[in-house]
Amino acid sequence: AQKVTQAQTEISVVEKEDVTLDCVYETRDTTYYLFWYKQPPSGELVFLIRRNSFDEQNEISGRYSWNFQKSTSSFNFTITASQVVDSAVYFCALSEAQGGSEKLVFGKGMKLTVNP
Amino acid sequence: GAGVSQSPSNKVTEKGKDVELRCDPISGHTALYWYRQRLGQGLEFLIYFQGNSAPDKSGLPSDRFSAERTGESVSTLTIQRTQQEDSAVYLCASSSPYLADYTDTQYFGPGTRLTVL
Repeated sequence: AQKVTQAQTEISVVEKEDVTLDCVYETRDTTYYLFWYKQPPSGELVFLIRRNSFDEQNEISGRYSWNFQKSTSSFNFTITASQVVDSAVYFCALSEAQGGSEKLVFGKGMKLTVNP
Repeated sequence: GAGVSQSPSNKVTEKGKDVELRCDPISGHTALYWYRQRLGQGLEFLIYFQGNSAPDKSGLPSDRFSAERTGESVSTLTIQRTQQEDSAVYLCASSSPYLADYTDTQYFGPGTRLTVL
């Protein structure tokens, strides 16, 4: 069965600190996709990144970076020099293509608060 | 390029009443998903549409829940005889496996907050 675990439920940091959000997943498939979404206080989920299981290269996008390690089934997300606008709930998610459906299995989310 | 839209944004209803929630996906997106988010929780998958067909309904919690999609566009999620445990935010997402860029990435609407009194 697919499962996504975000062990941290809530983190509070001071602006400019770096913060890493952990994500551990379980799947029996060899082909799968991993995602991170951001849910700001407004409530709408914002897509951040998609990574397929065959691509273990780390990715950097501005202050955001992602570390995908199949050996530990982890897909961690780091925000460098955090800003107040980064305050949100962050969700890690997993999908497996099953008959065309790529339904997402979400972790429970991690609430990040960045204080000025 | 409009995103996914949902209506109403908020719905308050009394226990036992039926409700209909609407989703307008991104134009041209053939896949449509419904999810439910209970307070403080992650999202739970409800149903997947490809075109107007629903090949995966495995997440619907009971036979009080149903959904349809018409014209490969708008989808309606119906909850009959609502219960208090149905209170949640219902989110719709759409994607297109046929686009070259970020294929199959799901883009979410703002959700409908349902409160059952």
